[in-house]
Amino acid sequence: GENVEQHPSTLSVQEGDSAVIKCTYSDSASNYFPWYKQELGKRPQLIIDIRSNVGEKKDQRIAVTLNKTAKHFSLHITETQPEDSAVYFCAATLRPNDYKLSFGAGTTVTVRA
Amino acid sequence: DAGVTQSPTHLIKTRGQQVTLRCSPKSGHDTVSWYQQALGQGPQFIFQYYEEEERQRGNFPDRFSGHQFPNYSSELNVNALLLGDSALYLCASSLGSDGYTFGSGTRLTVV
Repeated sequence: GENVEQHPSTLSVQEGDSAVIKCTYSDSASNYFPWYKQELGKRPQLIIDIRSNVGEKKDQRIAVTLNKTAKHFSLHITETQPEDSAVYFCAATLRPNDYKLSFGAGTTVTVRA
Repeated sequence: DAGVTQSPTHLIKTRGQQVTLRCSPKSGHDTVSWYQQALGQGPQFIFQYYEEEERQRGNFPDRFSGHQFPNYSSELNVNALLLGDSALYLCASSLGSDGYTFGSGTRLTVV
């Protein structure tokens, strides 16, 4: 099955700086890669996703890049703000064949004021 | 428009007992997936229900079972609870291959 590795496990950045989280996946057939943000004690929320026919996607301060050849994808947060502090999870799956999401172990991001 | 609703929010059970967790999907969603999230870990897929049947299952023992009702709501049952079953149980609903919407979860503590 799919195996997703996520790095780093913790990330501390100064407010206004950028944060980058990287994930690798094992199944070259995977074609859908969502990112979730989970604040303490709250539910995971989808913040951005990318499909394998696209190399990059942006939404305001958040962007995701995908390198299918290397089987890795990254989340970029620019101009970080204190409210960006949370745990971020990457995930991968093969749609429509595979219904489960395989998640990384998460990255705890702390934005220092 | 209500999102995904899970109940109860917290639960304490004794080893060997059985537990039932409940999930109401987001309006318009017909598919329910269950995940187990241990402390400090990413969610692990338990199973997915669609059209009242288990469509896919993760690497969880038969002690974990589920059900989906005609109104798309779902239950997760865990029998013979172990200490290691202590976790946050997340329900996620979806429509087709669209992204999941997660509920806030049920925090299960087994003592």
